[in-house]
Amino acid sequence: GAVVSQHPSRVICKSGTSVKIECRSLDFQATTMFWYRQFPKKSLMLMATSNEGSKATYEQGVEKDKFLINHASLTLSTLTVTSAHPEDSSFYICSAQGTGPGDTQYFGPGTRLTVL
Amino acid sequence: AQSVAQPEDQVNVAEGNPLTVKCTYSVSGNPYLFWYVQYPNRGLQFLLKYITGDNLVKGSYGFEAEFNKSQTSFHLKKPSALVSDSALYFCAVRDMNTGFQKLVFGTGTRLLVSP
Repeated sequence: GAVVSQHPSRVICKSGTSVKIECRSLDFQATTMFWYRQFPKKSLMLMATSNEGSKATYEQGVEKDKFLINHASLTLSTLTVTSAHPEDSSFYICSAQGTGPGDTQYFGPGTRLTVL
Repeated sequence: AQSVAQPEDQVNVAEGNPLTVKCTYSVSGNPYLFWYVQYPNRGLQFLLKYITGDNLVKGSYGFEAEFNKSQTSFHLKKPSALVSDSALYFCAVRDMNTGFQKLVFGTGTRLLVSP
C-alpha cells in the first residue's frame, strides 16, 4: 500500500509554545489529507480535513485558531498546535487519500505530543 | 448519517482458532467499507475494503471480510489466529455525503490472541 510519513514521531514541549507536525504522502498525490486525534484506548476523532491549496474544514468543536492546518502541496500537510497546553497532549495521526470514492485512506504512524 | 457499529469491545481467541470481529453499518446509498488495524503507539494500517463486486474480500495478513447486504454487516475474519494479530481493529464507512468523503469509524475492537 501507499506510504504516509509523519514527523516528528514524538515531541515534548513546554506549555505556551507551538508545535508543528508534518504529514507527507511519499508515493502518491494526496488530494485530501485528514488530521485525527486519539485519546488512550479510544477511537479516532477527526479534527479537520484539508484539500491542497484551500482552507481546511474543521469538525465541530475544534478550534481552528489553535490547530492550524496547511496543505501546501499534494504531498505535504502540516498541523501546528499553537500555544499548546497540557490538555493538548495526545496522539495525533494524519491520513491521506486520492479523489475516488473507492480510494483507500492511508495513515501516518502518528505523533505523540506531550505538553509539560 | 453514515455510521458503523462494532458491538464488541474485546474479542478473545486462542492461537490457531478462527477469529471474527463484527461490524455492522448504516448508510444511505452504496456502502464503501474498510477495515484497519492499529498496533500500540502506531497509526492505522489498511487491511481491506469493499467497494463493489464479490462479497468476500481478501486482504492483508490472511484476513478477509464478508459483505452481507441483507444483514448490513461487514465482519472481519481469519481462519487461524496468530498471537501477533493481537491489536485494535477498526471498521469504517466512507461518508459519501461530504465532499471530502471522510471515513466514519467504529469504536474499535481489541483482539487478544492467547498462545
